[in-house]
Amino acid sequence: EVQLVESGGGLVQPGRSLRLSCAATGFTFGDYAMHWVRQAPGKGLEWVSGINWNSGNINYADSVRGRFTISRDNAKNSLYLQMNSLKAEDSAFYYCSRDVGTIARNLEKWGQGTLVTVSS
Amino acid sequence: QSALTQPASVSGSPGQSITISCTGTSSDVGGYDYVSWYQQHPGKAPKLMVYDVSIRPSGVSNRFSGSKSGATASLTISGLQAEDEADYYCGSYTSRSTVVFGGGTKLTVL
Repeated sequence: EVQLVESGGGLVQPGRSLRLSCAATGFTFGDYAMHWVRQAPGKGLEWVSGINWNSGNINYADSVRGRFTISRDNAKNSLYLQMNSLKAEDSAFYYCSRDVGTIARNLEKWGQGTLVTVSS
Repeated sequence: QSALTQPASVSGSPGQSITISCTGTSSDVGGYDYVSWYQQHPGKAPKLMVYDVSIRPSGVSNRFSGSKSGATASLTISGLQAEDEADYYCGSYTSRSTVVFGGGTKLTVL
């Protein structure tokens, strides 16, 4: 069974940093592209970033480009999101998602999310 | 990248069919056959219902079907059931190699 478990969320002050992790089990992690998606409470989905199977293609939403960095370690079956210069509007549930294939286009499997709250 | 346009809400009675539209541009929905649809129940993670416009993942009911014409994609749910009541989001691959979602549609089963 595919499982994605996010961790690293919490309360952080504006301007500080946070690193999210996503542990993947139940599939060959290196065979799939991965994504981070966020959802503010009561709001819609916002795609944050995607990374293809071998980290050769990485993309970001305009709202986080230059502040967030996605990475993966296929040997550790793990996906990461380094979030710097955090703003109040970054507060949301952050979901890790596995793609259907090797290129980041469709989000097939989802974790349960980790909550990030940016507040002083 | 602007969000795709979806109706805020749709409703239907059990057994009926409903269609949710998703309108984009030639840079996303109209330019690629990489449109997906997601179902989200309150407090739960989204679930992929359709990808690549019309392909259903294993385990998804055949009551759910997707299509596309130009820059507008559609999700049709036939034989509406109470359990279908949820929020639905469309998503599309874009010319910038990103993904963009719609604003979401709340489906109410009357």
